[in-house]
Amino acid sequence: DVKVTQSSRYLVKRTGEKVFLECVQDMDHENMFWYRQDPGLGLRLIYFSYDVKMKEKGDIPEGYSVSREKKERFSLILESASTNQTSMYLCASSTTGPTGGAYQETQYFGPGTRLLVL
Amino acid sequence: ILNVEQSPQSLHVQEGDSTNFTCSFPSSNFYALHWYRWETAKSPEALFVMTLNGDEKKKGRISATLNTKEGYSYLYIKGSQPEDSATYLCAHSGSARQLTFGSGTQLTVLP
Repeated sequence: DVKVTQSSRYLVKRTGEKVFLECVQDMDHENMFWYRQDPGLGLRLIYFSYDVKMKEKGDIPEGYSVSREKKERFSLILESASTNQTSMYLCASSTTGPTGGAYQETQYFGPGTRLLVL
Repeated sequence: ILNVEQSPQSLHVQEGDSTNFTCSFPSSNFYALHWYRWETAKSPEALFVMTLNGDEKKKGRISATLNTKEGYSYLYIKGSQPEDSATYLCAHSGSARQLTFGSGTQLTVLP
């Protein structure tokens, strides 16, 4: 059974703080993703990584950075938290398909971190 | 950003009713279409991945169809049960690595 865990379910931070959200998967997946979910907007991709130390920007990378030093761990960093980053953050992982892409591979999601920035 | 649209936004049905929802996506640059179910307080879980025009997938009472030429997919639930209450997300892949999610259809099945 694939397991994706996230470091916190709920987090409250102050404006300007540096925030780390951690995600760990135990299935040796090559690909990891960070999304945020806001009402009416669905899941929006922030960053993804298809290999250790590799990262690519998603659709809304501004204000975020990521780190992937080990295959199983993918961290999302809010360098200086702002109130508009209050959201639900979901991490996901997937394997790589036979053609080298991830498009047809199921993504396995963590339980989410609900972040409130005051 | 590719536009993935789902309709309706929300739906209430009676237990035993059959229902369906729609996912619309750009028909160009198609790689795959995913459906996920997201129950409250849980993680999204995969239902189907479809890659070929005309694909039909079935899991129990839930099935899905895909039309890549016109850019839509339908999800059907036969004989809805209260445990089917969830948000159903579709996600389109227009590239090898990324998915673009729709905003979901929130289904409530009333006992």
